[in-house]
Amino acid sequence: DIQMTQSPSSLSASVGDRVTFTCRASQSISNFLNWYQAKPGKAPKLLIYAASTLQSGVPSRFSGSGSGTDFTLTISSLQPEDFATYYCQQSYSAPNSFGQGTNLEIK
Amino acid sequence: QLQLQASGSRLVKPSQTLSLTCAVSGGSISSGGYSWNWIRQPPGKGLEWIGYIYHSGSTYYTPSLKSRVTISLDRSKNQFSLQLSSVTAADTAVYYCARGYEKAFDVWGQGTMVTVSS
Repeated sequence: DIQMTQSPSSLSASVGDRVTFTCRASQSISNFLNWYQAKPGKAPKLLIYAASTLQSGVPSRFSGSGSGTDFTLTISSLQPEDFATYYCQQSYSAPNSFGQGTNLEIK
Repeated sequence: QLQLQASGSRLVKPSQTLSLTCAVSGGSISSGGYSWNWIRQPPGKGLEWIGYIYHSGSTYYTPSLKSRVTISLDRSKNQFSLQLSSVTAADTAVYYCARGYEKAFDVWGQGTMVTVSS
């Protein structure tokens, strides 16, 4: 099975900051990497699929990059509604697997 | 707009079977090109994919749960279901249903908390 490792596990930042999250796969997954935003009591939301494609309706301040084993999610200018937990997920091979998440907190 | 709503037993006794249903509205579960998935999140932990079923009825389950999981379709009610047998406290989690499209989970239900306790 493919293991997904996210770093950091938590991050403190301020509104307006640029933040970057990292996700690493235990083997090459090409660009089969998705990013989700999760908030307590709400359904997770797909942000980015295929490593860099923005899901319809997602603000353009979110961007993704990477291929192979190393991937990043960047938020260019944090907004108050962006404080949440972010998960990466590989869809290269079953079983699908998620990273452990990065919790983005307000500084 | 497609919506998913999970429902079912919120409290299950150890060794019994957990049963959840995901009602799909705003679209047909029989449409090709989509998978219908169950994903869970234990308290304080990350997301764990459980398995999927396609419109054709073919299924795939994560190996660690394969011996205890069944996912099924009910086309007449436009819903799909999860059964997890022989549950323990480790199966306590928020259970989500989600649609799979183009190798991503693009629509999720709200999630339902299931507690395993006597």
